[in-house]
Amino acid sequence: DGGITQSPKYLFRKEGQNVTLSCEQNLNHDAMYWYRQDPGQGLRLIYYSQIVNDFQKGDIAEGYSVSREKKESFPLTVTSAQKNPTAFYLCASRRGSRQETQYFGPGTRLLVL
Amino acid sequence: AQKVTQAQTEISVVEKEDVTLDCVYETRDTTYYLFWYKQPPSGELVFLIRRNSFDEQNEISGRYSWNFQKSTSSFNFTITASQVVDSAVYFCALSVPYSGAGSYQLTFGKGTKLSVIP
Repeated sequence: DGGITQSPKYLFRKEGQNVTLSCEQNLNHDAMYWYRQDPGQGLRLIYYSQIVNDFQKGDIAEGYSVSREKKESFPLTVTSAQKNPTAFYLCASRRGSRQETQYFGPGTRLLVL
Repeated sequence: AQKVTQAQTEISVVEKEDVTLDCVYETRDTTYYLFWYKQPPSGELVFLIRRNSFDEQNEISGRYSWNFQKSTSSFNFTITASQVVDSAVYFCALSVPYSGAGSYQLTFGKGTKLSVIP
């Protein structure tokens, strides 16, 4: 089945630790996105990538980093510089056409120990 | 800058009642896209509908209908004969094709939590 997978479903981070969230899609979509969702809030854009080896900061990129070495994969690293990382993280992808919809993965919930 | 407002934070209805979720948007662009997504308790956002700014026709899909009015910058969502499975958080979102970037970033409202009581 085609779709977007995110792993792990739950992730625990210790103080000072970097953690990486995985996002993979087999939809042959060009663009990929990372969003953060806090309780009672809408989604806020962290990073996005429209093509391989290129990515742009979103509204809340500080403390996060990404890479896009393959079209199918867009991992997000939450660094120790992100002081409040506890949130629900959603990955999305979109086909190259300018009118296309973003489709979302199941999400990863990150908790700080 | 773009903005989406969903003034209703939480709504509770009894099963089989109709319910309307409000969405008001702000943008200076003449070309834009509006979306509704459903987020059930599992967390994944499920795409429901996309409308472009040049198409003001209302749309009906089963028990769901959408009313797009540019004059009031609103894109409201109505569920007819609600069911318990409709319980979820519903997000309205706006996408604008930034010139030169073409990134079509989504700006989300804060969501409306709908609870359908049996």
